[in-house]
Amino acid sequence: DGGITQSPKYLFRKEGQNVTLSCEQNLNHDAMYWYRQDPGQGLRLIYYSQIVNDFQKGDIAEGYSVSREKKESFPLTVTSAQKNPTAFYLCASSIEGAGAYEQYFGPGTRLTVT
Amino acid sequence: AQTVTQSQPEMSVQEAETVTLSCTYDTSESDYYLFWYKQPPSRQMILVIRQEAYKQQNATENRFSVNFQKAAKSFSLKISDSQLGDAAMYFCAYRRSYGKLTFGQGTILTVHP
Repeated sequence: DGGITQSPKYLFRKEGQNVTLSCEQNLNHDAMYWYRQDPGQGLRLIYYSQIVNDFQKGDIAEGYSVSREKKESFPLTVTSAQKNPTAFYLCASSIEGAGAYEQYFGPGTRLTVT
Repeated sequence: AQTVTQSQPEMSVQEAETVTLSCTYDTSESDYYLFWYKQPPSRQMILVIRQEAYKQQNATENRFSVNFQKAAKSFSLKISDSQLGDAAMYFCAYRRSYGKLTFGQGTILTVHP
């Protein structure tokens, strides 16, 4: 089955620790995205990557870092510099290029930092 | 910068009735794409419907249809014959020719039996 996997589903960390969220896709998509969703809110873009070894900051990149060493993988690190890291994190992928291409989403990771 | 506005934080509908969710957007582009996504309680994002700006005909997908008014920069979603499974948060989203999606704040839809 083609799709996007995110692990783990729930993640708990102590304040001051970095944590890495996993995102893997087997859809052969060039573009991948990380979003943050706070309760009752819309999705805000953290980082996106349109090709391997390249990525761009989204609207709320401060306190986050990413890498894109493989087409299939786009891990997100939430650093201790992120002031309010507790949130729901969604990863997505899509075909890159002009067109009404759908973004496919993973099931999400709920991160709680105490 | 492009913005997407959903002015209805919450809407409700009776089962089997019709409901319309509103969305407006701001852009200076002439070529772009619009989407409606659904996020049920499972939190899995699902594409409901999409519209290319160059197409005058409104998109339809079974019970879901849009009213796309390009000049007014409006993109509303109509759900006909509402079902309990339609209860979810609905997001309107905009995309230029290339690149990232911009999402609205979402509308929570409640369906009453």
